[in-house]
Amino acid sequence: NAGVTQTPKFQVLKTGQSMTLQCAQDMNHEYMSWYRQDPGMGLRLIHYSVGAGITDQGEVPNGYNVSRSTTEDFPLRLLSAAPSQTSVYFCASSREEGAHYGYTFGSGTRLTVV
Amino acid sequence: AQSVTQLGSHVSVSEGALVLLRCNYSSSVPPYLFWYVQYPNQGLQLLLKYTTGATLVKGINGFEAEFKKSETSFHLTKPSAHMSDAAEYFCAVTPYSSASKIIFGSGTRLSIRP
Repeated sequence: NAGVTQTPKFQVLKTGQSMTLQCAQDMNHEYMSWYRQDPGMGLRLIHYSVGAGITDQGEVPNGYNVSRSTTEDFPLRLLSAAPSQTSVYFCASSREEGAHYGYTFGSGTRLTVV
Repeated sequence: AQSVTQLGSHVSVSEGALVLLRCNYSSSVPPYLFWYVQYPNQGLQLLLKYTTGATLVKGINGFEAEFKKSETSFHLTKPSAHMSDAAEYFCAVTPYSSASKIIFGSGTRLSIRP
């Protein structure tokens, strides 16, 4: 099993550009989420989904959109990139809504906005 | 609101010495507790978790953590550090009331001296 796959691994954007970060999992997990990791701040939840067609906001949702049309995929869209969105982004999945199962993380996307 | 505090953003120990990484949480009821490890340029990996039952939890790579309700702590220990333990460690908590939302601490970077 590949687990959670994130693409691209690295990306440089200009301010105002839009892009989509891809996340796919092959474990048939219902729960998927996006985090951003910034130095000294741990991981902060952006958006999450408890199943296909269902999404909700996390702690820092502004400037990001998500959709969940299939169980496998959970893309994160940056609508108009800003330097404050420079970060490392992680996608995570879990068997059910219930983080007590533990999350499986992707290897991350390092995004720089100039 | 739930919060997680990791004492010390950077801990350095000698190879073979005891590893102790501190984590305290704030909660009116005991939550689920986790430790995750992040090796350079990788995603997070679940090290161990406490949900219910025995308060001393054993994880991978010789790590263990003890849930102490009276101290609201979940410190991570390893009797003898190896060079391969050098990584960033995150304590995390999931409140019972919202099991889909896991809250991460800010992380502790562990360095191992030869």
